[in-house]
Amino acid sequence: NAGVTQTPKFQVLKTGQSMTLQCAQDMNHNSMYWYRQDPGMGLRLIYYSASEGTTDKGEVPNGYNVSRLNKREFSLRLESAAPSQTSVYFCASSGGDRYYGYTFGSGTRLTVV
Amino acid sequence: AQSVTQLGSHVSVSEGALVLLRCNYSSSVPPYLFWYVQYPNQGLQLLLKYTSAATLVKGINGFEAEFKKSETSFHLTKPSAHMSDAAEYFCAVGGGSNYKLTFGKGTLLTVNP
Repeated sequence: NAGVTQTPKFQVLKTGQSMTLQCAQDMNHNSMYWYRQDPGMGLRLIYYSASEGTTDKGEVPNGYNVSRLNKREFSLRLESAAPSQTSVYFCASSGGDRYYGYTFGSGTRLTVV
Repeated sequence: AQSVTQLGSHVSVSEGALVLLRCNYSSSVPPYLFWYVQYPNQGLQLLLKYTSAATLVKGINGFEAEFKKSETSFHLTKPSAHMSDAAEYFCAVGGGSNYKLTFGKGTLLTVNP
């Protein structure tokens, strides 16, 4: 089925370790987004890419980096994980027209110990 | 700038009762509005959207929402709650020339037998 695929689904890291969360979409969407979801905080935008070759900071970018590898893929990297980065991370994409809304991936549940 | 306020982080209803989830928005441009639903341990799914056509919008699973410009509201309703409606619901607003959405903090709906 067409959609947004995130890997891995679960991950446990030790403080200071690094990792990359992968996201790929097969809907030919121009825009892609990374959000984190924490209890009581809703969805907070980390970074987004309006089109291939561009990336911009969102609401909570500190401690993260992103790469828009090509039109399909948008990765999120934690260089030195901290317990405050324990969260559920969602990737989303949008395209076609602005009324389309987002298609979300199923999420990555990350625990930093 | 855009913002969304969802009144009530937790709403509890009895099965068969009316569901009303409140969403108020702020936008400096004509808005387009969305409701998403998130079932436990899943990603977000589009429930319905308003894109400047009909002000009463019908979505999946019997939900509907009415856009009221004078009240800057987009409340979500369902006449009769079902156990399967238990989930978290997010209101989102977009507008202007980009595709980025701003999300509310979510409302957790509990349905009691």
